[in-house]
Amino acid sequence: AQSVSQHNHHVILSEAASLELGCNYSYGGTVNLFWYVQYPGQHLQLLLKYFSGDPLVKGIKGFEAEFIKSKFSFNLRKPSVQWSDTAEYFCAVNAGSSNTGKLIFGQGTTLQVKP
Amino acid sequence: EAGVTQFPSHSVIEKGQTVTLRCDPISGHDNLYWYRRVMGKEIKFLLHFVKESKQDESGMPNNRFLAERTGGTYSTLKVQPAELEDSGVYFCASRPGLAGSDTQYFGPGTRLTVL
Repeated sequence: AQSVSQHNHHVILSEAASLELGCNYSYGGTVNLFWYVQYPGQHLQLLLKYFSGDPLVKGIKGFEAEFIKSKFSFNLRKPSVQWSDTAEYFCAVNAGSSNTGKLIFGQGTTLQVKP
Repeated sequence: EAGVTQFPSHSVIEKGQTVTLRCDPISGHDNLYWYRRVMGKEIKFLLHFVKESKQDESGMPNNRFLAERTGGTYSTLKVQPAELEDSGVYFCASRPGLAGSDTQYFGPGTRLTVL
């Protein structure tokens, strides 16, 4: 069965610090990979996604993620965080060969950025 | 374009009662998903509709949960009778096409508390 592991459950950074959130998944076949974010009081929204092509994908608000197939990883990065990046971040996968789109989520990482 | 909406935003009920959650997907989106997040755990898939048909209900916890999508528009998720462990946030998501890589758009969630 597919599973997703997010290494850090709670991260605290100061503004301008660099961010890297880890995500590993277990599935041997083709996958689609997603990072979603939930800002306080708001609904889940897509940050970025990978389904094929360039393994380095760029998303909204300066975020990017790199798909490393050999490591089953899809880590999220941002060079310089802002206070407004305080939110909960979710990594998710679905099996690329399936058209159901069912998402398997990690446990989420809460990011707190101190001004 | 209106997003995915869910009603109610919060529901507090007693064990043994019945609750019905509603989701209105984005207009034209054939695919509708229900997910649930129990406190402290990951967001878990419950089921998937394509139009009015249940495509995958492998995530439904037990037969106390009944989902419908009559006419292929809005969906309801009924819990009857509710148990304490049903407490959590219930998310609905929709996406337009058949490709698993398509973005799912999430609603704000319904927070269910069973006392």
